[in-house]
Amino acid sequence: GAVVSQHPSWVICKSGTSVKIECRSLDFQATTMFWYRQFPKQSLMLMATSNEGSKATYEQGVEKDKFLINHASLTLSTLTVTSAHPEDSSFYICSARDPGLAGGDSRDTQYFGPGTRLTVL
Amino acid sequence: QKEVEQDPGPLSVPEGAIVSLNCTYSNSAFQYFMWYRQYSRKGPELLMYTYSSGNKEDGRFTAQVDKSSKYISLFIRDSQPSDSATYLCAMGKAAGNKLTFGGGTRVLVKP
Repeated sequence: GAVVSQHPSWVICKSGTSVKIECRSLDFQATTMFWYRQFPKQSLMLMATSNEGSKATYEQGVEKDKFLINHASLTLSTLTVTSAHPEDSSFYICSARDPGLAGGDSRDTQYFGPGTRLTVL
Repeated sequence: QKEVEQDPGPLSVPEGAIVSLNCTYSNSAFQYFMWYRQYSRKGPELLMYTYSSGNKEDGRFTAQVDKSSKYISLFIRDSQPSDSATYLCAMGKAAGNKLTFGGGTRVLVKP
């Protein structure tokens, strides 16, 4: 199946610093990747949609200058949390769209990375 | 009212029982339906993917979609303690578009 990796798996940083999270599709090319955050015992909240070679589309209420997204290649998207504060502490998860096979059983769905736990002190 | 409603549980069943999960939705534009399993502190794992009304079976998992009632279900047969996790339904309006998730149902399978 389609595999998506994230790095780092966890990170602790001081308030005011910036943190970069990488999301990679390992065995397929992902023209579209998505970034979510998840608070404990809550569902996933979509932050932004990232398309390769173009600017990300942010959901309402998500600060694009704080959460910088770059999707420079078909297998890599990055999320940078700038000037992080304790309220940014969360579980950040990316997903990548696998277009599936041409014809046949085209899955065309999203596969998720293992997530990155960010703690801002 | 949320676009996708899902009972948060927890749903506790004995090992070997059938687990029955469901979601209702209000937007008839949803055409693609998925079920994900998420273990604590892990990313969601795709279990089932359907895009038409009816049943789809994969091993111990059966997904049902009833577009006329705006209702989807997931059944897990012969449940195991390793099935203990949170199950999320997700829906999309078009292939590859962003998904709308239910809140997730926490399932506990007791040995």
